[in-house]
Amino acid sequence: AQSVSQHNHHVILSEAASLELGCNYSYGGTVNLFWYVQYPGQHLQLLLKYFSGDPLVKGIKGFEAEFIKSKFSFNLRKPSVQWSDTAEYFCAVRDTGFQKLVFGTGTRLLVSP
Amino acid sequence: DVKVTQSSRYLVKRTGEKVFLECVQDMDHENMFWYRQDPGLGLRLIYFSYDVKMKEKGDIPEGYSVSREKKERFSLILESASTNQTSMYLCASRQGTNYGYTFGSGTRLTVV
Repeated sequence: AQSVSQHNHHVILSEAASLELGCNYSYGGTVNLFWYVQYPGQHLQLLLKYFSGDPLVKGIKGFEAEFIKSKFSFNLRKPSVQWSDTAEYFCAVRDTGFQKLVFGTGTRLLVSP
Repeated sequence: DVKVTQSSRYLVKRTGEKVFLECVQDMDHENMFWYRQDPGLGLRLIYFSYDVKMKEKGDIPEGYSVSREKKERFSLILESASTNQTSMYLCASRQGTNYGYTFGSGTRLTVV
């Protein structure tokens, strides 16, 4: 069965610091990859997704992620975080042979002003 | 703007009650999903539906059932609520396999 690992459960950063959140998945076949964000009290929103092509994917709000197939990784990055980036971030993977999306356990990011 | 609407934001039910959680999408999406979200566990798939009257078990279907009689509506049913079903329940829909999911705001269910 597929699994998704997010290594950092809690991350605390100061504003303007750089962010990298790790995500690794277990499946060796063709996958679709996603990062979702959940701001306090709000519903999950799609940050970015990778299906094929350029492994460096740019999303909303200055976020990007890089798919490294050899490492089974899809890490999320942002060069300079803002207080408004405080949220929980979820990595998700879909095996293209199946309909369902498998989520990681999430990373809570707190950005202090 | 696309919308997935969950009928209740907060629910409190008693152990043993039959509970219905409703989800409606206005995007004519074929695929719909029910997840539960628990701290430290992320989102876990309960059931999903490819199309009307079609359903598939997810990773944690025990104690739950679903109903999809119309394309826009996907109901999650807790046959006999238990305290370990206290959780945040999220509904999502998707246009097709090459698209991301659109999530509802969630229903926080407490079983006492």
